[in-house]
Amino acid sequence: KAGVTQTPRYLIKTRGQQVTLSCSPISGHRSVSWYQQTPGQGLQFLFEYFSETQRNKGNFPGRFSGRQFSNSRSEMNVSTLELGDSALYLCASSHRLAGLYNEQFFGPGTRLTVL
Amino acid sequence: SQKIEQNSEALNIQEGKTATLTCNYTNYSPAYLQWYRQDPGRGPVFLLLIRENEKEKRKERLKVTFDTTLKQSLFHITASQPADSATYLCALGLNAGNMLTFGGGTRLMVKP
Repeated sequence: KAGVTQTPRYLIKTRGQQVTLSCSPISGHRSVSWYQQTPGQGLQFLFEYFSETQRNKGNFPGRFSGRQFSNSRSEMNVSTLELGDSALYLCASSHRLAGLYNEQFFGPGTRLTVL
Repeated sequence: SQKIEQNSEALNIQEGKTATLTCNYTNYSPAYLQWYRQDPGRGPVFLLLIRENEKEKRKERLKVTFDTTLKQSLFHITASQPADSATYLCALGLNAGNMLTFGGGTRLMVKP
């Protein structure tokens, strides 16, 4: 089975621009979560989608948004980029909604640099 | 305030010894806890899951304990190998869902 794929792997943007990142989960997985990883704050939860519905949302401003398609692929969008948005954005997929019973599979991440 | 603390300093051990990593949390009541391994430039890889009503879980050379009274999890790697060198992350599941709250990670270096 192919793992979680994320595109692009690297991205450079300038302040004020917007960006869209893509995630394809493992085949058959319906839950997709997004995390931001920075040296200062570590891994922080952004949001989770399951069956095209946002199920959970972390403590990030409204500039961060996402969506999920009927084939479970997900995109996240960041508008009006700020320098502090430079980070590794990780996507994770899992088979079920209940993390109590299943592991999550992370993709390699998209490294976003905002200049 | 809420915190998840892992050894902030790198842990250096000799090959063949047991590595013990700690994860302490404050003002959380997790339903479960997971441990992940992360190598530089890669996404985390799941290792073990333990639920709040479980005390210990094992998988090959790995063992995790969960003490909800002490609010602490210990992660052990026995017979450590240089290939075990990585950053290890603990993550709390605050409800039954998939949302994880991560600690800062501990960098483990196993020397031959």
